[in-house]
Amino acid sequence: SQQGEEDPQALSIQEGENATMNCSYKTSINNLQWYRQNSGRGLVHLILIRSNEREKHSGRLRVTLDTSKKSSSLLITASRAADTASYFCATDGLNGNKLVFGAGTILRVKS
Amino acid sequence: GAVVSQHPSWVICKSGTSVKIECRSLDFQATTMFWYRQFPKQSLMLMATSNEGSKATYEQGVEKDKFLINHASLTLSTLTVTSAHPEDSSFYICSAPGTYNSPLHFGNGTRLTVT
Repeated sequence: SQQGEEDPQALSIQEGENATMNCSYKTSINNLQWYRQNSGRGLVHLILIRSNEREKHSGRLRVTLDTSKKSSSLLITASRAADTASYFCATDGLNGNKLVFGAGTILRVKS
Repeated sequence: GAVVSQHPSWVICKSGTSVKIECRSLDFQATTMFWYRQFPKQSLMLMATSNEGSKATYEQGVEKDKFLINHASLTLSTLTVTSAHPEDSSFYICSAPGTYNSPLHFGNGTRLTVT
């Protein structure tokens, strides 16, 4: 399986704190994406970073990508209770749109 | 924006019966769609790639005779879980690609419970 690893598996923080999640993958990629999933629901796309990009921002989200280490991080700043969800990274593995998902991080933001 | 509609959102069926899940691209054409399965507290695992007008491509370990995929038109792919068993209970999600290097569009998923 090409599934990547994510850490931590679970993260519990207080509202207002920052949350950092990491993702590692195994193959060369065209891009890496981060998705969010509320319990029992579908996926919400958060951000896409291309292999030639090192950092990308979107609102309170900051994503970094280190292709030499085959790793990425997602930082959520000033977290809110509504950020409570599972977060997954996904890579395309040079296979176009066929995404391989990481194991995910369960984030709980306590108010 | 592009929307993928998945139906039903949940289904409960008895062991031994078959269940069909539909995935439609609402305002765009999709020659390819992807079917994922997600067990509780786990990640999404790709089951198969649905190809319009041709056979689906299954991932290793996925039984093609059990999970029948039909992609008869550019806007509809169906996944039929045949002779369902309790261990098939899972969350099934479809997706369709946008343009190159753009995010996939995901359906809202189908929660299948086999009793």
